[in-house]
Amino acid sequence: ETGVTQTPRHLVMGMTNKKSLKCEQHLGHNAMYWYKQSAKKPLELMFVYNFKEQTENNSVPSRFSPECPNSSHLFLHLHTLQPEDSALYLCASSSRDRNYGYTFGSGTRLTVV
Amino acid sequence: AQSVSQHNHHVILSEAASLELGCNYSYGGTVNLFWYVQYPGQHLQLLLKYFSGDPLVKGIKGFEAEFIKSKFSFNLRKPSVQWSDTAEYFCAVNPPGAGSYQLTFGKGTKLSVIP
Repeated sequence: ETGVTQTPRHLVMGMTNKKSLKCEQHLGHNAMYWYKQSAKKPLELMFVYNFKEQTENNSVPSRFSPECPNSSHLFLHLHTLQPEDSALYLCASSSRDRNYGYTFGSGTRLTVV
Repeated sequence: AQSVSQHNHHVILSEAASLELGCNYSYGGTVNLFWYVQYPGQHLQLLLKYFSGDPLVKGIKGFEAEFIKSKFSFNLRKPSVQWSDTAEYFCAVNPPGAGSYQLTFGKGTKLSVIP
């Protein structure tokens, strides 16, 4: 257990479905992130939240919609996804003091059919 | 575009062999550097990090990395690998800039250690 918990671990959804990924951390970190991990590609930063405010959005399609209600919880709302969106979605958190680096969750393996 | 490059996609070694995984970055200025490891079926874990000071950094499980500023490199090394080191290794850079929380990752290097 890393201290960053992601649910569900696996998700299969159709292209017309709406689903949400959840991330929770109780490490006292103030920044949270969504990354996409696809085979043979670098980890892609999707969104950054710092003290609940979104500070980065790396040109992510609008079919991905993040939500950060407080500094411990982060959601990724999904709708009308495409098969190429199938990937491992990783949540991470970090402290304002960056010396601690990131703590990653175990990820949600998403398959879009 | 500024990036992080890991030269080897897949490295295969026998146990007790020495390991060196290359990482180069293209950012100018002061950067923070990291190596992460992902064991099969597990989450990404921090292996070691460099912020300042001694350019030779020691991490967990006998790994070390050397920051060579003139070469924009941060190579990962281990003198004698074990079967349990089989994993994927990711180099990451925290680009320069006050308040930046981003980590930019390389594509990763898969290490397979043969018993």
